Amino acid sequence: DVKVTQSSRYLVKRTGEKVFLECVQDMDHENMFWYRQDPGLGLRLIYFSYDVKMKEKGDIPEGYSVSREKKERFSLILESASTNQTSMYLCASSSRADPYSPLHFGNGTRLTVT
Amino acid sequence: AQKITQTQPGMFVQEKEAVTLDCTYDTSDQSYGLFWYKQPSSGEMIFLIYQGSYDEQNATEGRYSLNFQKARKSANLVISASQLGDSAMYFCAMRGGNTDKLIFGTGTRLQVFP
Repeated sequence: DVKVTQSSRYLVKRTGEKVFLECVQDMDHENMFWYRQDPGLGLRLIYFSYDVKMKEKGDIPEGYSVSREKKERFSLILESASTNQTSMYLCASSSRADPYSPLHFGNGTRLTVT
Repeated sequence: AQKITQTQPGMFVQEKEAVTLDCTYDTSDQSYGLFWYKQPSSGEMIFLIYQGSYDEQNATEGRYSLNFQKARKSANLVISASQLGDSAMYFCAMRGGNTDKLIFGTGTRLQVFP
């Protein structure tokens, strides 16, 4: 089974802090994604990476950056956390070999910025 | 631009009855894929079913079927013989033919009552 692991289930940070959310997958997937989930808004794509060191902006990249130095690891960085970044963050991965294979998700990180 | 619309914020259904969750989409791509995910209260995202735009038959997976009407750009999820464990958020999602990015709708919260 594909396993996507997010390093923290719950995280509480202060405004202005630099925050790292880590995600690791064990299925050698090329694609990795970071989504943000808010009530009534569904899942919105923040960033997408299709290979090591390659990234594309999603629909809401402002205030975020990403890093993919190794194929299995995709990090989301909040350069200076703000209260409006309080949310559930979901990491996912998928294979490029089959473009219609489903995304496999981690269990999410609930981030609270105070 | 691609868009997924789920117009039902919440639905109720009695145990053992069938329920249809609506999803409409907008894309200019000829080739695309449609997905449904379930998110129980535990937060994990569970892939349910997939339909390709060129698939002539509606997809089925156990009690789940996808009512795909291409001309109307709709991809409704039908759950037959509802169970209490079906209570969850359900998300419709789409991937266009020239991208690996998945965009999601805002979700429908289904509650199954005895």
